[in-house]
Amino acid sequence: GAGVSQTPSNKVTEKGKYVELRCDPISGHTALYWYRQSLGQGPEFLIYFQGTGAADDSGLPNDRFFAVRPEGSVSTLKIQRTERGDSAMYLCASSLSGTYNEQFFGPGTRLTVL
Amino acid sequence: AQSVAQPEDQVNVAEGNPLTVKCTYSVSGNPYLFWYVQYPNRGLQFLLKYITGDNLVKGSYGFEAEFNKSQTSFHLKKPSALVSDSALYFCAVKGDTGRRALTFGSGTRLQVQP
Repeated sequence: GAGVSQTPSNKVTEKGKYVELRCDPISGHTALYWYRQSLGQGPEFLIYFQGTGAADDSGLPNDRFFAVRPEGSVSTLKIQRTERGDSAMYLCASSLSGTYNEQFFGPGTRLTVL
Repeated sequence: AQSVAQPEDQVNVAEGNPLTVKCTYSVSGNPYLFWYVQYPNRGLQFLLKYITGDNLVKGSYGFEAEFNKSQTSFHLKKPSALVSDSALYFCAVKGDTGRRALTFGSGTRLQVQP
């Protein structure tokens, strides 16, 4: 079946601009996660959705970052007033509900802020 | 707080030889442990997980991992390495209580020489 998809695969923007990154989870997966991966490091947690609600947003670095999942499926990560330090690979993952279920990752969106 | 340590940035092994990629963890409560592999320009792929039960867990592509509670370790192993196993490997943990997000190690690059 179809895996997690993310669009765009690459996004280049200028400092100060607004960007949206989209994630389509595996059908039937109620849990959705966003992570950020910098070069040479492991992914770092940003936010977790269970259904439509953000169950844990403790990983968002500041209030420029926001994410939504209005219908409990597709999610959008929104970054306002982008900074060069926001440049990274943004990964989305989904899973069945249940703490022990493995997460399935999308291919990521590489964000470059010039 | 939960954390993962992967002490080796890179592991080199000859094709056909056994391989081990090390991982130690710290978590509150009982651990759920995962290994993921990342190939260039591709997303993270799930390899295996430990939830409970047998300490030796078998996963995809002939990989296995051994859970050791007293040493808080979850080392990844394979009896006979293939050149195609060359990739970046990440260990991840979450506890059975609290946050649902995974905490990843910094990754270990596996190089299998022909």
